[in-house]
Amino acid sequence: AQKVTQAQTEISVVEKEDVTLDCVYETRDTTYYLFWYKQPPSGELVFLIRRNSFDEQNEISGRYSWNFQKSTSSFNFTITASQVVDSAVYFCALSEASAGNMLTFGGGTRLMVKP
Amino acid sequence: KAGVTQTPRYLIKTRGQQVTLSCSPISGHRSVSWYQQTPGQGLQFLFEYFSETQRNKGNFPGRFSGRQFSNSRSEMNVSTLELGDSALYLCAGSLAGGPDTQYFGPGTRLTVL
Repeated sequence: AQKVTQAQTEISVVEKEDVTLDCVYETRDTTYYLFWYKQPPSGELVFLIRRNSFDEQNEISGRYSWNFQKSTSSFNFTITASQVVDSAVYFCALSEASAGNMLTFGGGTRLMVKP
Repeated sequence: KAGVTQTPRYLIKTRGQQVTLSCSPISGHRSVSWYQQTPGQGLQFLFEYFSETQRNKGNFPGRFSGRQFSNSRSEMNVSTLELGDSALYLCAGSLAGGPDTQYFGPGTRLTVL
């Protein structure tokens, strides 16, 4: 069965520090999709990125970057020069091609960025 | 383009009652999924509807049910509420039958007393 593990439950950094959020997944499917979502205090999950299992290219979007490594079943997320507005809970999620749109979420990492 | 809407945003019920939550996905999105979020269990998949048909169901008791209408709007019903049903219920819509990027609504915070 599919599983997503986010070992870091809470991270606290000072503004402008770089921070990496770890995500490790398990799946038997060869075709799957990985996602990162951000959940600010308002509660709504905000989509950040989606990666499919055949695309191992790293991606950079502004201060955000993602490192997908199939060899270690990891999909890590780095925020460069963190800002207070980055404070939120971040979720990594997995969707298998055989399971429609069902997302399996990790437990989330609460990121606190202090000024 | 309007985002995903969920109503009501907050709800207080007592044990034994039933509740119906509503979700309208982004216009054109045909798939709607429901998730329950609690501090203890995290985010758990309830079910998914696509073109008015339930495609997937998570590991929840039969008290949790849903349906989807021809305009893609979806409702989720919980009968015989229990204290443990207190949670944030999130719905998400996506364009395709999957796997596709899901866009979430603001959630309905249900409190069962």
